[in-house]
Amino acid sequence: GIQVEQSPPDLILQEGANSTLRCNFSDSVNNLQWFHQNPWGQLINLFYIPSGTKQNGRLSATTVATERYSLLYISSSQTTDSGVYFCAVEQDYGGSQGNLIFGKGTKLSVKP
Amino acid sequence: DTGVSQNPRHKITKRGQNVTFRCDPISEHNRLYWYRQTLGQGPEFLTYFQNEAQLEKSRLLSDRFSAERPKGSFSTLEIQRTEQGDSAMYLCASSLVTGVNEKLFFGSGTQLSVL
Repeated sequence: GIQVEQSPPDLILQEGANSTLRCNFSDSVNNLQWFHQNPWGQLINLFYIPSGTKQNGRLSATTVATERYSLLYISSSQTTDSGVYFCAVEQDYGGSQGNLIFGKGTKLSVKP
Repeated sequence: DTGVSQNPRHKITKRGQNVTFRCDPISEHNRLYWYRQTLGQGPEFLTYFQNEAQLEKSRLLSDRFSAERPKGSFSTLEIQRTEQGDSAMYLCASSLVTGVNEKLFFGSGTQLSVL
């Protein structure tokens, strides 16, 4: 099956700093999503981005499907950005199968 | 729209007992998913429904696990003869599949502890 690797596994930032999280995947995908799991365990969908670039406030994401990677950019980080960021993909079998495979996540800690 | 709702939030049970969890998806969503998450790991796919049809099941879903979605509305996940290895957070998600945007929205989960 498809492999999803996220880097770095852990990241500590000072408030106000910028960061880039990376997601590499081993095969073609028809679905890629980024999630933030806050310290209380709630998973929040950040982006649905199987290809291209999207921006939402201080967050933006880019997926280069042909190169099999996606990047999540966080600018001017805030303490509320702390938590675990997951990339999840669905392998492209020619249709939507509903099976999103999650990476192990990047744990972000933003210090005041 | 109050989002995806899961009950109960916490469940403590003894090994060998049966447990049932409920998920109420976002009302207009046509897909409903069950995932399981253990500490330090990403969520693992268990199964999903398109309306009331269960379309895919993971090999993680042993014969002790069963999921239903009667009438394409809420869903239940039952675990029979629970084992200590079943202890995990059970997450439900829903989405509206349009072919353009298939964002998953997760509930807060049910934390299961098997003693």
